Amino acid sequence: AQSVTQLGSHVSVSEGALVLLRCNYSSSVPPYLFWYVQYPNQGLQLLLKYTSAATLVKGINGFEAEFKKSETSFHLTKPSAHMSDAAEYFCAVIPSGGSYIPTFGRGTSLIVHP
Amino acid sequence: SQTIHQWPATLVQPVGSPLSLECTVEGTSNPNLYWYRQAAGRGLQLLFYSIGIDQISSEVPQNLSASRPQDRQFILSSKKLLLSDSGFYLCAWVRENTEAFFGQGTRLTVV
Repeated sequence: AQSVTQLGSHVSVSEGALVLLRCNYSSSVPPYLFWYVQYPNQGLQLLLKYTSAATLVKGINGFEAEFKKSETSFHLTKPSAHMSDAAEYFCAVIPSGGSYIPTFGRGTSLIVHP
Repeated sequence: SQTIHQWPATLVQPVGSPLSLECTVEGTSNPNLYWYRQAAGRGLQLLFYSIGIDQISSEVPQNLSASRPQDRQFILSSKKLLLSDSGFYLCAWVRENTEAFFGQGTRLTVV
């Protein structure tokens, strides 16, 4: 069984400031990890994914995430926030074997203020 | 390339009426398909998943059902909607275990 915990349902940053969204996971098998972004009334769009290659993963829109096995974490960062980054962000895990059922965190709403 | 279509985008239905949401995938065969419901502050709740035609697994007891009459078609249904069925419904398919692709979602309001 796997689970995903996103710390903080809301994160507020100033435009130009560092963005850090936290994600911790638990999984009985080596997982693949993902970050998705959702804009209002839309589906989820893939930001980046970790699939057992490089532990530092770069995604779209300047986001990146680092897989840390020892900490069971996959935090999402962006050096400088932009107003257009305001959205809901979901961390997800898909086990590397078995049923391929994606499990999602509860989501973190990123608020960017001028 | 693979695409996923989900419709309708919005739906307002009276209590007690039936429901049918449709999801189709193009550009792949034998996909794993999923229905999720999203409630504010509660993330995505898995409702049903299917690994093949007529093979449906239900994750939570509810007023909904799912069917997969064709390889790339996944339908979410209800015979009689409840107020509590309101929410944002998302269809997804997973390419092996490397990525999940989502439809644009359906905003269902039961009145």
